[in-house]
Amino acid sequence: NAGVTQTPKFRILKIGQSMTLQCTQDMNHNYMYWYRQDPGMGLKLIYYSVGAGITDKGEVPNGYNVSRSTTEDFPLRLELAAPSQTSVYFCASRLTSAIYNEQFFGPGTRLTVL
Amino acid sequence: KNEVEQSPQNLTAQEGEFITINCSYSVGISALHWLQQHPGGGIVSLFMLSSGKKKHGRLIATINIQEKHSSLHITASHPRDSAVYICAVEEYGNKLVFGAGTILRVKS
Repeated sequence: NAGVTQTPKFRILKIGQSMTLQCTQDMNHNYMYWYRQDPGMGLKLIYYSVGAGITDKGEVPNGYNVSRSTTEDFPLRLELAAPSQTSVYFCASRLTSAIYNEQFFGPGTRLTVL
Repeated sequence: KNEVEQSPQNLTAQEGEFITINCSYSVGISALHWLQQHPGGGIVSLFMLSSGKKKHGRLIATINIQEKHSSLHITASHPRDSAVYICAVEEYGNKLVFGAGTILRVKS
């Protein structure tokens, strides 16, 4: 199993541009998450999904959109990129929310908005 | 006040030392997670616990639900333990709230 994969690894955007961060997991996990990590801060939840067709906002959803058309894929869309969206983005997945099910993280996407 | 507070923020230890990282939280939780973030950025789950104590190799995690406090211990520390250790609490539901992390450096 590849686990959780993210593309791209790095990206530089200009202010106002749009892009999609891709996330795929091959573990048949129901739950998927998008986080952002800013220097010196804890990870913040952007959006999450408990299954195909179901998504919900996390703590910092403004400026982002998601979709979950399949169990495997959970892309994160940035519309009208702003410097405040410069961050490292992590996708994660989990089988269910049961106590014994850990979260598996992707390798991250480092995004810079100039 | 953050929901999850970790201490210390930075920790430097000599190889072989016993290390303790603390995590305090302010909300009711269903579980607490300890994660490790490698210098290259990857994040792996170390422990999930809702009571008592868990051990894996040289790592031990404990939690006191009444005091809303957890500790991560590393015995016989080694330079390869150098990483950021992150505490996260799971409120009733499926979302995690993360601490800012403890940067650990173990010198040989």
